[in-house]
Amino acid sequence: GAGVSQSPSNKVTEKGKDVELRCDPISGHTALYWYRQSLGQGLEFLIYFQGNSAPDKSGLPSDRFSAERTGGSVSTLTIQRTQQEDSAVYLCASSPDGAPEGYTFGSGTRLTVV
Amino acid sequence: TQLLEQSPQFLSIQEGENLTVYCNSSSVFSSLQWYRQEPGEGPVLLVTVVTGGEVKKLKRLTFQFGDARKDSSLHITAAQPGDTGLYLCAGPRWTSYDKVIFGPGTSLSVIP
Repeated sequence: GAGVSQSPSNKVTEKGKDVELRCDPISGHTALYWYRQSLGQGLEFLIYFQGNSAPDKSGLPSDRFSAERTGGSVSTLTIQRTQQEDSAVYLCASSPDGAPEGYTFGSGTRLTVV
Repeated sequence: TQLLEQSPQFLSIQEGENLTVYCNSSSVFSSLQWYRQEPGEGPVLLVTVVTGGEVKKLKRLTFQFGDARKDSSLHITAAQPGDTGLYLCAGPRWTSYDKVIFGPGTSLSVIP
């Protein structure tokens, strides 16, 4: 597609439930990133996929968080047993080659855990 | 640890005024990016500065990269309500060029 697409745009879930967030990057972009943005805060790096390399998971805050990228395209971020502190906007970005000048962000998924 | 700090955190000004926001670090960055984020949207890249002392202009926005490549500023001339948003600076990590860290942002509100 023309841009990075994220779904759902909003998600309200009960504490303890699992959620899946989806990111559809720009076609041909080899690099894909997930960031988390809490209210009024900057972006916190979560995970990075580049081509067929093993993902960089160094930013995942706990083992309740996981992500996969199928076929070098669509990515899913899964949060298990959600907690209230997981409430945030989850942003996905893609880049043609990983260069920092080339990030295109999606509109994000606003996750609210009640 | 590489960190980016931004100031001020919040800024509310009248339409037509000028303003400057700052991005600072104790670390050297090979480049810095500026993004603007509007409510409900993802950040949109405005500019990348690469060379120490570099000045780039984008209409009413002027970006400067410090000589030592540790700081940057964004100056807006004659601000308009459409400039309202969160301004984020970002730069690549030392250890991994293709991973970027972000500052906390400056939230700008331009009142008509």
